[in-house]
Amino acid sequence: DAKTTQPPSMDCAEGRAANLPCNHSTISGNEYVYWYRQIHSQGPQYIIHGLKNNETNEMASLIITEDRKSSTLILPHATLRDTAVYYCIVTGGGTSGSRLTFGEGTQLTVNP
Amino acid sequence: DTAVSQTPKYLVTQMGNDKSIKCEQNLGHDTMYWYKQDSKKFLKIMFSYNNKELIINETVPNRFSPKSPDKAHLNLHINSLELGDSAVYFCASSPGRGGRSPLHFGNGTRLTVT
Repeated sequence: DAKTTQPPSMDCAEGRAANLPCNHSTISGNEYVYWYRQIHSQGPQYIIHGLKNNETNEMASLIITEDRKSSTLILPHATLRDTAVYYCIVTGGGTSGSRLTFGEGTQLTVNP
Repeated sequence: DTAVSQTPKYLVTQMGNDKSIKCEQNLGHDTMYWYKQDSKKFLKIMFSYNNKELIINETVPNRFSPKSPDKAHLNLHINSLELGDSAVYFCASSPGRGGRSPLHFGNGTRLTVT
């Protein structure tokens, strides 16, 4: 699986959009970009994933660049409850189960 | 309704003891996993089962033995506990066998070995 690079920390004002970047310059054609987050003392929570196209769900939007070497997770209206560590993961999957490799992630702090 | 539940939430024990952590999922998923999160917060996969069949077994000491009595349960038994086993252990499940299905995690079991 391709390696990802994320900033270690970011701050965001409550009510504003939080834009979390991720670089994955070695991503290959069949690898997906996944985002998870981990709120303190809880298990990781799936947010969104995509291959080439931009994706949106009730939690967030995922913007993937045309060359697929980077992506941005957007939380449109951040709340205090969005304070968490956000993980960007690239995985090809396959049929042998999920060996998701979690890096250090980005600590997002939403301030009142 | 808790989708992926683990018991116990906290486990404190002495070196050399044997302990088990239980996991159950009510999502109807075919695949279940055990992950370990160490003190540096890195999350690493340990095992994965698909319909009671072991499909992933990372480089884990053989003191760790997963057991899946049915596809809704994946328990983790640890023999001869060592100080380095102290960590948070997360159970997870996913709909399919492949790696492109989102994982649903439990809230973890914090194991402390003294």
